[in-house]
Amino acid sequence: EVVLTQSPGTLSLSPGVRATLSCRASQSVSRSSLAWYQQKPGQAPRLLIYGASNRATGIPDRFSGSGSGTDFTLTISGLEPEDFAVYYCQQYGTSPFTFGPGTKVDIK
Amino acid sequence: EVQLVQSGAEIKKPGESLKISCKGSGYSFMHYWIGWVRQMPGKGLEWMGSVYPADSDTRYSPAFEGQVTISADKYIDTAYLQWSGLKASDTAIYYCARLWYSGGWQPWNYWGQGTLVIVST
Repeated sequence: EVVLTQSPGTLSLSPGVRATLSCRASQSVSRSSLAWYQQKPGQAPRLLIYGASNRATGIPDRFSGSGSGTDFTLTISGLEPEDFAVYYCQQYGTSPFTFGPGTKVDIK
Repeated sequence: EVQLVQSGAEIKKPGESLKISCKGSGYSFMHYWIGWVRQMPGKGLEWMGSVYPADSDTRYSPAFEGQVTISADKYIDTAYLQWSGLKASDTAIYYCARLWYSGGWQPWNYWGQGTLVIVST
């Protein structure tokens, strides 16, 4: 099973600044099948990034993903008020599919 | 428009059985996998297992094998997650999501709205 670790656990930032979230896998992620999701309270997860670096349909270009192998990063170039949420990485290339524990981005 | 609509919230007692559902529309339901994801209160996301409605092929996460049953009815475009004896630790929100295998697994871009299950005396 691929274990995903996310850091930091919480990121306290002000609107307008850049956010950098990390996801590390216990083994190489198959075909860069690494996704990032955003989840707000009371809502289902929303796909932001797939294939490590591809934005999903309708996702603003302030969201970008990078990385390969075992180290991945989600960058939000300038935080908007609606971006304060929990972010999960997920590897969907190999069963059992696994999620990281999440990074909460909250307002400083 | 692709939609996954889940059944409503449930309050059950320990030991009771339960079956929740996820109905797909706007696409060829039988040709995409449906996965189930658990989110315990204040916690993260856990994949439980998936079903392929066309032939009912089912895969389980080792953590959930034997604990739940996942099934689907391709004739009414609905997938199910069921328990035969609920425990308090089954209290969670359960999401369904559409999965697709095409030369490799594809990202999960459609999710249901979630079903809250509360198990309490």
